[in-house]
Amino acid sequence: GEQVEQLPSILRVQEGSSASINCSYEDSASNYFPWYKQEPGENPKLIIDIRSNMERKQIQELIVLLDKKAKRFSLHITDTQPGDSAMYFCAASAGSNAKLTFGKGTKLSVKS
Amino acid sequence: NSKVIQTPRYLVKGQGQKAKMRCIPEKGHPVVFWYQQNKNNEFKFLINFQNQEVLQQIDMTEKRFSAECPSNSPCSLEIQSSEAGDSALYLCASSPGHNTGQLYFGEGSKLTVL
Repeated sequence: GEQVEQLPSILRVQEGSSASINCSYEDSASNYFPWYKQEPGENPKLIIDIRSNMERKQIQELIVLLDKKAKRFSLHITDTQPGDSAMYFCAASAGSNAKLTFGKGTKLSVKS
Repeated sequence: NSKVIQTPRYLVKGQGQKAKMRCIPEKGHPVVFWYQQNKNNEFKFLINFQNQEVLQQIDMTEKRFSAECPSNSPCSLEIQSSEAGDSALYLCASSPGHNTGQLYFGEGSKLTVL
């Protein structure tokens, strides 16, 4: 089955700087790549996603890049704020109603 | 606030006891997923449904869990005989289907097996 690797596991940045999280996948059939933010004691929330027909997507300070040839995708948070501190998970799936395979998560800490 | 409603938020069971969790998917979402998130925050897919039918499940679910999504009733996931290793957060997610792939999670049921 699909495997998703996510790095780094821990990321500490200064407020106002950028944060980048990288993921790779194995199954070339994967075509949907969401990112989830999970704060302590809360449910994972979908923050941005990208499909295989795109290479880049931006929603406000969130940018997702997808390199299908290399089977890599990444999340970039520009101008980080303390409220961005949380666990971030990447995931991949292939096709309609298919399960998501998650990475192991990145704990982002933004210091003011 | 999540539109996927999970109950109970917390449950504590002894080893060998049954543990049942329920989920009401977001209105209009025909696809429901159950995941287990362990203390290391790792996600394990358990089972998914489209309407009342099972789409996919892992061996553990088939052997040790009972799950259903009846029409006009909450979906449920029940561990038949709880083990210490089952202690985790059980997350239900629903999807609008139509090949969107998007999953929206409930707040989870945190199971502790003593």
